[in-house]
Amino acid sequence: NAGVTQTPKFQVLKTGQSMTLQCAQDMNHNSMYWYRQDPGMGLRLIYYSASEGTTDKGEVPNGYNVSRLNKREFSLRLESAAPSQTSVYFCASRTESGSPLHFGNGTRLTVT
Amino acid sequence: KNQVEQSPQSLIILEGKNCTLQCNYTVSPFSNLRWYKQDTGRGPVSLTIMTFSENTKSNGRYTATLDADTKQSSLHITASQLSDSASYICVVDYAGNNRKLIWGLGTSLAVNP
Repeated sequence: NAGVTQTPKFQVLKTGQSMTLQCAQDMNHNSMYWYRQDPGMGLRLIYYSASEGTTDKGEVPNGYNVSRLNKREFSLRLESAAPSQTSVYFCASRTESGSPLHFGNGTRLTVT
Repeated sequence: KNQVEQSPQSLIILEGKNCTLQCNYTVSPFSNLRWYKQDTGRGPVSLTIMTFSENTKSNGRYTATLDADTKQSSLHITASQLSDSASYICVVDYAGNNRKLIWGLGTSLAVNP
């Protein structure tokens, strides 16, 4: 039982390049989330998917897009990376609002 | 403004000692308060979730308390172990329009032998 799996673990991009961060969960959770974590700031929600087939913007959605491919998978895409998107990105899932979030171990992204 | 503030920012204790971490919040209305543990290089892991009607909740050597009147919570760690070295994050579930989780910055705990 792997929980929440994120790939890749590390990535370096040049400004303007694009990439997709992958996330998959094997806990049959309905809701999935993408957060970013930066020094001196609490986790900030980028996008979330309350259930398969739906996605919604969080606090900091600009520069990102998401796809809820199926119940298991939720990907985050950076179309044109900027240095301000240098961060650690976490994917999380949970069964329902009010239940604990289960996090992956993050993707460490550097944009030069 | 809905905020979550934690203290101290960092703490160093000796193995076997107890410690208490604090969380003050101004979030209103709120649904529940959570504590997460985040090891270096890993994602946060849930320790406890308390609704506004719960005063205390334990998870092994971790005990969280909540005073909804004063909007304060604490996390007490008993008989600390080296593996307790981590960041402990307080999170409040804002129950108003646009319901969301509001994350504190965490307390960084180092347990030394």
